Amino acid sequence: DTEVTQTPKHLVMGMTNKKSLKCEQHMGHRAMYWYKQKAKKPPELMFVYSYEKLSINESVPSRFSPECPNSSLLNLHLHALQPEDSALYLCASSQFWGQETQYFGPGTRLLVL
Amino acid sequence: SQQGEEDPQALSIQEGENATMNCSYKTSINNLQWYRQNSGRGLVHLILIRSNEREKHSGRLRVTLDTSKKSSSLLITASRAADTASYFCATDDQTGANNLFFGTGTRLTVIP
Repeated sequence: DTEVTQTPKHLVMGMTNKKSLKCEQHMGHRAMYWYKQKAKKPPELMFVYSYEKLSINESVPSRFSPECPNSSLLNLHLHALQPEDSALYLCASSQFWGQETQYFGPGTRLLVL
Repeated sequence: SQQGEEDPQALSIQEGENATMNCSYKTSINNLQWYRQNSGRGLVHLILIRSNEREKHSGRLRVTLDTSKKSSSLLITASRAADTASYFCATDDQTGANNLFFGTGTRLTVIP
């Protein structure tokens, strides 16, 4: 199984809502990533987990809260988001942090009203 | 920052023609990768070229790397309508942490 899955595919939420994005991989990869991508822009790294420990937090606001319950799952908890947070959120994994090739999920399209 | 720039921003060609897109980056790298993204979807890894390599082939893809000019090019030969997508180069930052920095992307449209 060489697939990274993400749910939901689409999400619409108000600024007072709490929601979570989920990412799953069964390739035995020990590094997982969250990226944010605005329209017509490249993906920007948000968080890196290596062996279920948060290794990189690229100065992301605290309204985004990542969680790695186990080596196959990665969550991104969302609370009190702003309309400018509307974007495509991409999850990726690689065999190790330092392994070059990353495998991406299809993304969650988020709209904050 | 390490973010690369790609050129052109958009490219429109007829099916069967070759497509060339270029990537320039700022700091020394260990490797450079090319990814493809269909509209609003995830990225797919295409090819990786290491800093000590000058050229690499994979099927209809040919990648070159010139570390002295801090630039790379991706050539897609005999393009197909299914090649329509955005193409991003991605570099590391030589820290060994494998944080990828993506270029600005080239939007390729192949007209049937």
